[in-house]
Amino acid sequence: SQQGEEDPQALSIQEGENATMNCSYKTSINNLQWYRQNSGRGLVHLILIRSNEREKHSGRLRVTLDTSKKSSSLLITASRAADTASYFCATGLDDKIIFGKGTRLHILP
Amino acid sequence: DTAVSQTPKYLVTQMGNDKSIKCEQNLGHDTMYWYKQDSKKFLKIMFSYNNKELIINETVPNRFSPKSPDKAHLNLHINSLELGDSAVYFCASSQAGPRGEQYFGPGTRLTVT
Repeated sequence: SQQGEEDPQALSIQEGENATMNCSYKTSINNLQWYRQNSGRGLVHLILIRSNEREKHSGRLRVTLDTSKKSSSLLITASRAADTASYFCATGLDDKIIFGKGTRLHILP
Repeated sequence: DTAVSQTPKYLVTQMGNDKSIKCEQNLGHDTMYWYKQDSKKFLKIMFSYNNKELIINETVPNRFSPKSPDKAHLNLHINSLELGDSAVYFCASSQAGPRGEQYFGPGTRLTVT
C-alpha cells in the first residue's frame, strides 16, 4: 500500500512567497526524502532527513519531520519561477522506498 | 557527463510487440532501479538490482524482465506489450541501497497503441 501522501495535490503561489508542502505516512521509517520533478524530466534529490532528526536545511529548503505524527513538511522560501515542478516525498524502511503521489507547485509571475 | 542515461527517450509500439529500454550509470553505484510512472504521476518501483542481483520485484507481471550485464547497466525487457504498459519508465541508481539518495535518468516515455 502507498506510504507517503502529499498535501496539497496542487499549489499555486506568487513568486517571492513561501511554499509549504506536507507528507504523511503510515508506518515507521528509517528516513524520508524529498525529490523534485520538472515537467518531462527525471526526479532530482533535494534532501534526506533521518528518523532521529527533526529539521534540516538546504539553501532555501527547510524540511521538518515529526515521527510521532508520521508527517513531514517541505518549505521553500522566497519562491522563484524555476521552483515550478512536482515535489515528491519518499519514505525509506529497511530495503524499501515508497514514493507519494506528489504535489504540483506552480509559481505565478 | 550524464550520470544516469536511458535509451530511447520515446518509444511508440504496437500491442503484442517486445521492446527493451537500456540504462547506464557512470556513478559507480552498487544499486540500480526501474520505476514506472503512470499518467497520474504515481511513481512505483518495479525492480532493484544490487551488484547484479535482484533484490526487489514488486508484483510486476513476468512480461517484464530486468537484465543486468554488469553493475553499471540495468536494461528492461518487456514482452507482449499491452495498452496498460503505456507510461514513463525511469531508471535510477544509488550507492546506499533503496533508502539512500537516488539519481534518476531522464525517463523513457512508452506508448503502446
